[in-house]
Amino acid sequence: DTEVTQTPKHLVMGMTNKKSLKCEQHMGHRAMYWYKQKAKKPPELMFVYSYEKLSINESVPSRFSPECPNSSLLNLHLHALQPEDSALYLCASSQVGQGTGYNEQFFGPGTRLTVL
Amino acid sequence: QKEVEQNSGPLSVPEGAIASLNCTYSDRGSQSFFWYRQYSGKSPELIMFIYSNGDKEDGRFTAQLNKASQYVSLLIRDSQPSDSATYLCASKKGIGSARQLTFGSGTQLTVLP
Repeated sequence: DTEVTQTPKHLVMGMTNKKSLKCEQHMGHRAMYWYKQKAKKPPELMFVYSYEKLSINESVPSRFSPECPNSSLLNLHLHALQPEDSALYLCASSQVGQGTGYNEQFFGPGTRLTVL
Repeated sequence: QKEVEQNSGPLSVPEGAIASLNCTYSDRGSQSFFWYRQYSGKSPELIMFIYSNGDKEDGRFTAQLNKASQYVSLLIRDSQPSDSATYLCASKKGIGSARQLTFGSGTQLTVLP
């Protein structure tokens, strides 16, 4: 199984709503990532979890709150978002370790978020 | 100077031709390099990665790395209309660690039937 799944596929929310994005992988990967991608731009890293611990936070506003309940799951909790937060949110996972074959990141299909 | 630079294109090639996508990087600490293909409205799909100088071939795709020139390329042989997409070049410091990818801005490729 080389698949990263994300739910929901689409999400429309108001600025006062609270919602969560979910990501799941069963490849035994111990690193998971959240990226944000705006139209015609490359993915922009938000957070990295390594062995279920937050290892990188790219100065993301606190209205985005990540959570890694276990090695297969990654959540992104959303609260009080702004219209400019509308984007494609991508989850990725990878192995962690030395040597070849341990560094590729595999992306999920993404959640298309619209903030009204 | 951006860490990873790509020609944004668009690059158009006729069906059956070789498409050549280029990428340069500025950080000599970058050790591994990745090519992703992204169709419009979809997520990036890993095509190849390379970390040693030279060529690496996989089917119609060949990745090339020249660390001295800080240059990475992707060749697509026998290009098909289904190859039309944006191609993202990415670098990473370290081989096995959970480090972030640094993406170029992508090259839009169109293969004309």
